[in-house]
Amino acid sequence: DVQLLESGGGLVQPGGSLRLSCAASGFTFSSFGLSWVRQAPGKGLEWVSSLSGGGNSAYYAASVKGRFTISRDNSKNILSLQMNSLRAEDTAVYYCGKGGTGTTDYYYAINVWGHGTTVIVS
Amino acid sequence: QSALTQEVSVSGTVGQKVTLSCSGNSNNIGSFAVAWYQQISHDAPKTVMVGHYLASGIPDRFSGSKSGTTASLTISGLQPEDEADYYCSTWDYSLSAWVFGGGTKVTVL
Repeated sequence: DVQLLESGGGLVQPGGSLRLSCAASGFTFSSFGLSWVRQAPGKGLEWVSSLSGGGNSAYYAASVKGRFTISRDNSKNILSLQMNSLRAEDTAVYYCGKGGTGTTDYYYAINVWGHGTTVIVS
Repeated sequence: QSALTQEVSVSGTVGQKVTLSCSGNSNNIGSFAVAWYQQISHDAPKTVMVGHYLASGIPDRFSGSKSGTTASLTISGLQPEDEADYYCSTWDYSLSAWVFGGGTKVTVL
C-alpha cells in the first residue's frame, strides 16, 4: 500500500522557520511527482508546491515563492518543505501528496494523500 | 478568490442524482484534466477521480465530465456517506501552478 507520513509541524513565531518531511513507502519514489497542499483553519485546500520525480522541476504558489523550498531525497524516500519567514497566514494543516503518471496534469494530480501535519505561526 | 469556481453548496436526498460544477478558463480546465477530491469533516482529502479515471476504492456512482472550460462531478444515487466537501483542481499553464476551486459542500437531506 502507498503510504505518506508527514512530520515536522509545530508552533513557530512569525519570521521563524520550520522544515516539514514526508516519508513515503509502497511505490517507486523517484518515478512520481510529489506535492504539498495546505488547508488553513476553516478554509479550502490551497496548493503550495510540487516537485518532479527527479527533483529538477519545482513549482511554487505565488504566496510562498521565495520563502519555501521543496526538495526530495530519492535515496531515503523523503519529501521535504523548508519554510522560512513564516507568517500568520501560513498557519494550516500541510498535506503531502503523490502524483500519477502521464502528462503534467496527471503527473501532478494527487492520487494519494498523507494525513497532514499542523503548522501554527503565532 | 479561487482560480476555479464551484458552487458553495449542493444538497439532495438519498438516491438522488446531484451534479457539482467547476468553472475555469482555457489556461486550466480548457487544457488539462480535472481532479476531484472529497474531504469528510476536515479529515485528510481523498481522491475521487482524475480526468475520467475513478480512484481506487471509489464507487462507480461517481463520474466526471468536462465541456470546454467547465468540469462536472456527478453522484448518481446519493448516499449518506457522500456528505462531504468536494474540491476540483487542475494545472494552470499560464500560472505554472496547480489551482483549486473553493469547494462545494454536499449535504444529504
